[in-house]
Amino acid sequence: NSKVIQTPRYLVKGQGQKAKMRCIPEKGHPVVFWYQQNKNNEFKFLINFQNQEVLQQIDMTEKRFSAECPSNSPCSLEIQSSEAGDSALYLCASRLGKTNSDYTFGSGTRLLVI
Amino acid sequence: QQKVQQSPESLSVPEGGMASLNCTSSDRNFQYFWWYRQHSGEGPKALMSIFSDGDKKEGRFTAHLNKASLHVSLHIRDSQPSDSALYFCAASECNYAQGLTFGLGTRVSVFP
Repeated sequence: NSKVIQTPRYLVKGQGQKAKMRCIPEKGHPVVFWYQQNKNNEFKFLINFQNQEVLQQIDMTEKRFSAECPSNSPCSLEIQSSEAGDSALYLCASRLGKTNSDYTFGSGTRLLVI
Repeated sequence: QQKVQQSPESLSVPEGGMASLNCTSSDRNFQYFWWYRQHSGEGPKALMSIFSDGDKKEGRFTAHLNKASLHVSLHIRDSQPSDSALYFCAASECNYAQGLTFGLGTRVSVFP
């Protein structure tokens, strides 16, 4: 059983709709990552946080995605206006603030945009 | 070009046999390597990490790292049907806030 909890497991949205997914990182892990895994199994880094602060994000995330990791609440990733190409498995991972610590992944949210 | 390249793309192994997976990086900034396993419908789970040259053994799994050539391998001894999954090699730099860079995976199928 994963120590990183992601909800919902599945999400179906129409094009142009908002899609929001949540992640509770492993307890004690201050660094949180969001990845997109496409149908070809390619992983794309989207954004990461340390505590509540954004560390890095890619251009796509800046424009159409919004994400936050508020104190004492789940982290969230929201696509403002879903596109067909956003259909993918969205994975949240967390880790300790150490260079040799494992990244713990959740089971993911599978988004289908129709 | 993929910074982390894996081979083969797929592998069929008899139950009880040995599976050997390979991974090469083209980025000398990568200092830390992991092997992750992903079963269908699940997120990837860390199998092993390796950061120093040489072998690291954990149960039926042995990883080998050659930092000079940036080559990492994973060997699965006495393969079981439950080992059938996607295996990803992933690498990171010397920065705990840096994300992982993944290869495209090797699909392992263990047949009875």
